[in-house]
Amino acid sequence: DAGVTQSPTHLIKTRGQQVTLRCSPKSGHDTVSWYQQALGQGPQFIFQYYEEEERQRGNFPDRFSGHQFPNYSSELNVNALLLGDSALYLCASSWGRAGSGWETQYFGPGTRLLVL
Amino acid sequence: DAKTTQPNSMESNEEEPVHLPCNHSTISGTDYIHWYRQLPSQGPEYVIHGLTSNVNNRMASLAIAEDRKSSTLILHRATLRDAAVYYCILRDPGANNLFFGTGTRLTVIP
Repeated sequence: DAGVTQSPTHLIKTRGQQVTLRCSPKSGHDTVSWYQQALGQGPQFIFQYYEEEERQRGNFPDRFSGHQFPNYSSELNVNALLLGDSALYLCASSWGRAGSGWETQYFGPGTRLLVL
Repeated sequence: DAKTTQPNSMESNEEEPVHLPCNHSTISGTDYIHWYRQLPSQGPEYVIHGLTSNVNNRMASLAIAEDRKSSTLILHRATLRDAAVYYCILRDPGANNLFFGTGTRLTVIP
């Protein structure tokens, strides 16, 4: 049973460019969340997708957008890259019933983005 | 999101038990207490969670204070593979996200 997979593993971009990161959830999961982890910090929630719609969003600008496909995989897009966007981007999947408080999230290994 | 307070770092000798504390004095009655850990160069992984009662699983035990204002993650015999950053997270049933703090970096000494 494959866990959460992310691609690519590493990426280098320059300021002003756009980037797309991809995530495939764990088998049987239908909800995908994205997190940004700066060096030395804990992950910060960007947004969550369920039933192909953004269900909840953290405190991130509109430059960060996403999409969920019918097969539950997801993309994270970041436009107009800034140096401060350099971070590890983590994808997590879970089963979609909202608001139980106890369901666990399964994380992928992340995509490390470096913006020069 | 309710706040948690954890020590920045802790050390343990290999094969010894480790008690990782977490304070959450503003916890609400419906918040679940979750622990995740992040091994080097990996994404976080779920460790354990609880609401009111102590919990045990194959990875660890979670001891929750009677007033729920603090909890302790217990690793019964630390191994080198347990070296990681451990995050204590309060999970509001109405929230879909996890709110990570800076966690406790556990170093296991051979």
